[in-house]
Amino acid sequence: DAGITQSPRHKVTETGTPVTLRCHQTENHRYMYWYRQDPGHGLRLIHYSYGVKDTDKGEVSDGYSVSRSKTEDFLLTLESATSSQTSVYFCAISDRANSPLHFGNGTRLTVT
Amino acid sequence: AQSVTQLGSHVSVSEGALVLLRCNYSSSVPPYLFWYVQYPNQGLQLLLKYTSAATLVKGINDFEAEFKKSETSFHLTKPSAHMSDAAEYFCAVSVWETSGSRLTFGEGTQLTVNP
Repeated sequence: DAGITQSPRHKVTETGTPVTLRCHQTENHRYMYWYRQDPGHGLRLIHYSYGVKDTDKGEVSDGYSVSRSKTEDFLLTLESATSSQTSVYFCAISDRANSPLHFGNGTRLTVT
Repeated sequence: AQSVTQLGSHVSVSEGALVLLRCNYSSSVPPYLFWYVQYPNQGLQLLLKYTSAATLVKGINDFEAEFKKSETSFHLTKPSAHMSDAAEYFCAVSVWETSGSRLTFGEGTQLTVNP
């Protein structure tokens, strides 16, 4: 498996609290992605990064922000969590455009 | 805009039977296409990819997919299903942006294999 670690693996939080999910890679890949997975929707892209401090929005970016200060770390922040953000979040990496993505094992987030 | 449609959210086959999972894509440029598999409580694993080198693509665990431009399809097949193939399968198309590329996924097909 590609060296991708997501933390935490599980989190329960209350509505209105901030939450940060971390993705750490040891592959030195340029591209990093955050997806959310919900039943009936497949995986939907939240944000992605194409280099240190270079990020762009995906199709479901509202309510989320990201940061990438180092090649190996990509952080996803929910500034004020809502119940609609209850989901499984996956980080993925790739080394070049149009290459396959390698996925982490996911973070299950529950917002009560 | 590029998109992917997977026909059938649930497919059920008997052990030893042919597996056919359908995927149709929409793309204004020659696409890069992928199939991924997800086992329970795990991330997605790459099964195979199409990058225009050959229309019939072979992947892991005897899966293969055929790119048909005229039908805008990239269906996944396996001649003989095993119990261990029970999982969710996702078709994806690569979308090119000025900042790089990203994958757009279909909604997934849950495969059940019956003994």
